[in-house]
Amino acid sequence: EAGVVQSPRYKIIEKKQPVAFWCNPISGHNTLYWYLQNLGQGPELLIRYENEEAVDDSQLPKDRFSAERLKGVDSTLKIQPAELGDSAVYLCASSLSLAETQYFGPGTRLLVL
Amino acid sequence: DQQVKQNSPSLSVQEGRISILNCDYTNSMFDYFLWYKKYPAEGPTFLISISSIKDKNEDGRFTVFLNKSAKHLSLHIVPSQPGDSAVYFCAARGAGTYKYIFGTGTRLKVLA
Repeated sequence: EAGVVQSPRYKIIEKKQPVAFWCNPISGHNTLYWYLQNLGQGPELLIRYENEEAVDDSQLPKDRFSAERLKGVDSTLKIQPAELGDSAVYLCASSLSLAETQYFGPGTRLLVL
Repeated sequence: DQQVKQNSPSLSVQEGRISILNCDYTNSMFDYFLWYKKYPAEGPTFLISISSIKDKNEDGRFTVFLNKSAKHLSLHIVPSQPGDSAVYFCAARGAGTYKYIFGTGTRLKVLA
């Protein structure tokens, strides 16, 4: 069974540019999460989806970050415009349902210059 | 305010010996705890979990102990193997929230 797929794996952009990350969860997983992981830190939740509905986006900086999960499967996370402090690893995870184990993708490492 | 703390950023252990990774938390409302293992350039993978109604959970070489009065949990790996070398994150979830708070991780190195 394929795991959580994320692309791109690495991205280098200049500040003020837009960037987008894509996530394909494990087939059949209704719950999808986006996490931010800064260097030397643990993952921090940005947003959680139940099917196509964002049910917890309290940690998402809505002035520059946006996310969508059309049709309740794939999801994209966008930053516009990117700032130097956005350099981090962006992890996507999915689970069968809310209470089930979360499975993480390999992450997208973003470097903003 | 770090609600989940892993105070040891790194740990080295000889192959075959026991590895003990520690995690402290401050929120008494946490009721479910997990350990994840992370290899370089990969996402974290689930290792083992424990509910607050238990004080021990075992899965093969991995055992998690929970001391609620001390707000402390630990992961024991016996015997340690070189393939166990990774970063280990503990995570905690508040009752009814389904939101996990992760610690900062401990890098384990198992020496052959």
